[in-house]
Amino acid sequence: AQKVTQAQTEISVVEKEDVTLDCVYETRDTTYYLFWYKQPPSGELVFLIRRNSFDEQNEISGRYSWNFQKSTSSFNFTITASQVVDSAVYFCALKTSSTGANSKLTFGKGITLSVRP
Amino acid sequence: GAGVSQSPRYKVTKRGQDVALRCDPISGHVSLYWYRQALGQGPEFLTYFNYEAQQDKSGLPNDRFSAERPEGSISTLTIQRTEQRDSAMYRCASSLTTGRPSGANVLTFGAGSRLTVL
Repeated sequence: AQKVTQAQTEISVVEKEDVTLDCVYETRDTTYYLFWYKQPPSGELVFLIRRNSFDEQNEISGRYSWNFQKSTSSFNFTITASQVVDSAVYFCALKTSSTGANSKLTFGKGITLSVRP
Repeated sequence: GAGVSQSPRYKVTKRGQDVALRCDPISGHVSLYWYRQALGQGPEFLTYFNYEAQQDKSGLPNDRFSAERPEGSISTLTIQRTEQRDSAMYRCASSLTTGRPSGANVLTFGAGSRLTVL
């Protein structure tokens, strides 16, 4: 069985602070993919990043960075110099190949991030 | 279309009524998924299609729920005899299956259909 745990439920920061969103996953598969999605107040789900299990390089995209550590089964997401527009619910998700060619995404419960001006 | 389109965006119905939710995926996307998201929770898988074939319906909660994609494009999720516990956001997503390992395919989600059963 696969599982994604986002232990933080709500985080509130002041604009320009850095914030890290934690994600811990469980799977017995050696091949898997990790994702982060953003759900802004408007409600849509927006894809942010995909990482496969063979690539542990950290990634940076502008103010966003991701730290993938297989040793701790974590895929944490850091926003540097947060902005009000970053306020959203952020979901971490896991996809393995164990359930077939187009296996389903398993989502965590999400972290609500509020950035105050 | 440019994105995944879902309709209606909001649906309020009375307990016992049937509802049909529609999803129009991105043009050319082979795979189509339905998810349900309760308030304060992450999306949960319901079912998915490759072309018109329903590949996995293990997430459908009971036989009141069904989905179809008859021509491999637009899909309809139908809930019969709705109950209050069916109230949720129903999300559709599509992905382009290419020669890459399919687990890598990114799902593009629609804005969702929010169902409220009174």
